[in-house]
Amino acid sequence: QVQLQESGPGLVKPSQTLSLTCAVSAASISSGNYYWSWIRQFPGKDLEWVGYIHHSGKTYYNPSLKSRITVSVDTSENHFSLKLSSVTAADTAVYYCARVAPVPGAPNGALDYWGHGILVTVSS
Amino acid sequence: DIQMTQSPSTLSASVGDRVTITCRASQRLSGWLAWYQQKPGKAPKLLIHKVSTLQSGVPSRFIGSGSETEFTLTINGLQPDDFATYYCQQYNGHWTFGQGTKVET
Repeated sequence: QVQLQESGPGLVKPSQTLSLTCAVSAASISSGNYYWSWIRQFPGKDLEWVGYIHHSGKTYYNPSLKSRITVSVDTSENHFSLKLSSVTAADTAVYYCARVAPVPGAPNGALDYWGHGILVTVSS
Repeated sequence: DIQMTQSPSTLSASVGDRVTITCRASQRLSGWLAWYQQKPGKAPKLLIHKVSTLQSGVPSRFIGSGSETEFTLTINGLQPDDFATYYCQQYNGHWTFGQGTKVET
């Protein structure tokens, strides 16, 4: 069973950079044609995709965050990471990492394995 | 971006009921639609992808249907474990999610 686990600080000050890592186990990030993604859920429960990455390094970012976001992958450590700069209170959310299951013919795919999520609060 | 509108936002039901949740897309999706179940404090769980394909291990009482811009999740014979919030998601490009439907007793 594929497992994903988010880690990182739960509190970030405004204007600083949010940094999270997602460790993947029971699967190799380098295998298959999977993408590895970040999704966030706001306190009001709305879900928003943040970005995703292929082990080749190809990335896709939410246009609304594109100027502030970097998603990277470390195949040797079998994890991938998110950096979101210049955070504000509006970035307070539970951040999930998830695997994107490729679907033949689809632009991308559905999210078949998720981490437990990590609450990140932006506050001074 | 494709907008997803779910209804209702809250649904009151009892064990054994048939429950129907609707999701409308602002553009045609070519069948790239998924449904997720989320329980409090947990991550969403993939139930259905490609409109009607049941994810492995998901009970057959969950049925997805629809096409183009209108999609439905039906739960036949609601079970105690099914009280949760359900989200639709389109993946015909940049992902967007519906606002969620809370199924409560």
